[in-house]
Formats: sequence, C-alpha cells, structure tokens
Amino acid sequence: DGGITQSPKYLFRKEGQNVTLSCEQNLNHDAMYWYRQDPGQGLRLIYYSQIVNDFQKGDIAEGYSVSREKKESFPLTVTSAQKNPTAFYLCASSQSFNTGELFFGEGSRLTVL
Amino acid sequence: AQSVTQLGSHVSVSEGALVLLRCNYSSSVPPYLFWYVQYPNQGLQLLLKYTTGATLVKGINGFEAEFKKSETSFHLTKPSAHMSDAAEYFCAVTDNNAGGTSYGKLTFGQGTILTVHP
Repeated sequence: DGGITQSPKYLFRKEGQNVTLSCEQNLNHDAMYWYRQDPGQGLRLIYYSQIVNDFQKGDIAEGYSVSREKKESFPLTVTSAQKNPTAFYLCASSQSFNTGELFFGEGSRLTVL
Repeated sequence: AQSVTQLGSHVSVSEGALVLLRCNYSSSVPPYLFWYVQYPNQGLQLLLKYTTGATLVKGINGFEAEFKKSETSFHLTKPSAHMSDAAEYFCAVTDNNAGGTSYGKLTFGQGTILTVHP
C-alpha cells in the first residue's frame, strides 16, 4: 500500500543531543513537508521541499535541519539548538507543491528529558 | 500573511445531533480551503477540499462544508454525529494570487476537538 512512513513513533533523548526523524514515502510525490504540533497551537511548518535536492525554511526552522537527497526520503534533524524540542512531529507529502492536498504520516513523538 | 481562525477549541455534541465546526480566513483573495481530521496519536487525513466551482463540497464520513466568500468562511457540518466522529478537526488554507493560483503553503487553524456524547 502507498503511504508515508515515519520512524520512530516514540523517541526519548537527553538535552543537548541531536536526533534524526525518518520520513519515507512511496507515493511518488514531488513535495514533502515537516510540521510540528503542540497542544492548542495547530500545525506549524518547519521545512518543506518542492522537489528533490531542494528545500526551504518554513515558519519555525530555527534549530532544525533537513536534507532531500532522494525523492522518497526527507529526514528531519532536531539539533541541540532547538530550545523546546519536545513535540509531536508530522511528515507529509503532496503530488506537487501548490495543491494543498497533503498526505500525512502517523507522526513521531519526541520527548527530551 | 494568511490567518485561519477556528471558533471554539472544544465542541461537544450528543450522538445524532448536528455538528457545526467554524472556520474563518483572512485573505481578500479566495484561497483553496481544506478540512483535515486527526484521531489521537495519528497523522491528519483529508476530509474535504474547496478549490473552485460549487461552493458546497461533500467529503468523507458524511461531512460537508460551504465556502462563503462574503463571510470569508468555510464551516464544516454533519447532520447527525456519530461516536466515531470524535477527533480533532483542522481547517487549512493556501494563499492564492489574484488569478486564483495557489502559492502552495498551507496555513492551519488551531484545531477544534469534537466530543460526541452517547
């Protein structure tokens, strides 16, 4: 079945450690996105990629980094520079950037101790 | 910048009652409009969307929404709530240019948690 796979589903890390969240899609979509979700704040865009080998900062990119070396993969690294990394992270993809119709993974919950 | 307001962070209804979740946007140019649903500890799933054409759109699970340009609104309704409708619902919009083409980036509302009582 086609879809988006995020891993791990739950992750615990100590302060000061970098952590990488995986996102893989087999939908052959050009665009991919990372969102952060905090209770009562909706979804906020961290980074997006319209096409392979290209990505742009979203609204809250500070303390995060991404790469898009393959069409199907868009990993997110939460660095030690991110001041409040504990959150639910959602990866999404769309056939092209301007459709607005996103397909989401099941999310990764990061807890920093 | 585009903004989206969902009135009511929590809505509670009885099973069988009407569901009404409100969404207003700020843009003067009609955007593309979406409703997504999220069940606990899961990703979001598209319920329905409006891009052009008929302003009343029907989605999955019996939901529908009407785009009202004069009110800059896109409220979500369902005539009869079911227990399985309990979830969080997000309204989202894209910015469009004057010609109606989307710039692509989605802006989400804060979400409305729907509770359904037996």
